[in-house]
Amino acid sequence: SQQGEEDPQALSIQEGENATMNCSYKTSINNLQWYRQNSGRGLVHLILIRSNEREKHSGRLRVTLDTSKKSSSLLITASRAADTASYFCATAGNNDMRFGAGTRLTVKP
Amino acid sequence: EPEVTQTPSHQVTQMGQEVILRCVPISNHLYFYWYRQILGQKVEFLVSFYNNEISEKSEIFDDQFSVERPDGSNFTLKIRSTKLEDSAMYFCASKLGLGDEQFFGPGTRLTVL
Repeated sequence: SQQGEEDPQALSIQEGENATMNCSYKTSINNLQWYRQNSGRGLVHLILIRSNEREKHSGRLRVTLDTSKKSSSLLITASRAADTASYFCATAGNNDMRFGAGTRLTVKP
Repeated sequence: EPEVTQTPSHQVTQMGQEVILRCVPISNHLYFYWYRQILGQKVEFLVSFYNNEISEKSEIFDDQFSVERPDGSNFTLKIRSTKLEDSAMYFCASKLGLGDEQFFGPGTRLTVL
């Protein structure tokens, strides 16, 4: 399957620091999406990067995609305590989307 | 802003009972999905639906499961005879076009006793 796998599994940083999460996947994709989930809550879409794109920005988020290495990274700059959540990458094929296990980010005030 | 809605937010059922989870996707969206997330685990794809038929289903989506779009707005997931291991959060999602982002509903927490 083309499902993504994130690393690290858990990341703990101080407010104001940057957080980088990585995602690797196995097969070809149409696009890769990053989602955020607060504990026990729904999934919030953060950003989509298409297979022909290499980098995308949205506010404090920066996503890169390297299709030759089948990997993506999510960078959150100037982190805030409210960024504490689980972050998932999801790889989209033609008809499905597969999620990785996620990175649990804790931002300490 | 349009959003995907799901009802109920929490469903408790006895093992062996049938449950129907309901979703109202965003109104002009064409592609519909169900996912599940067992507590503490990752989100798992169940099924995708387009043009009134299943596009793809995962190995989890066995004969116990079925989906339906009975009218122009609802998208339902039926579990025919629930098992304890069906206890999970079930998320519905929809998107407009093939390469677009999926928008998720808030989920239905299913508890099978």
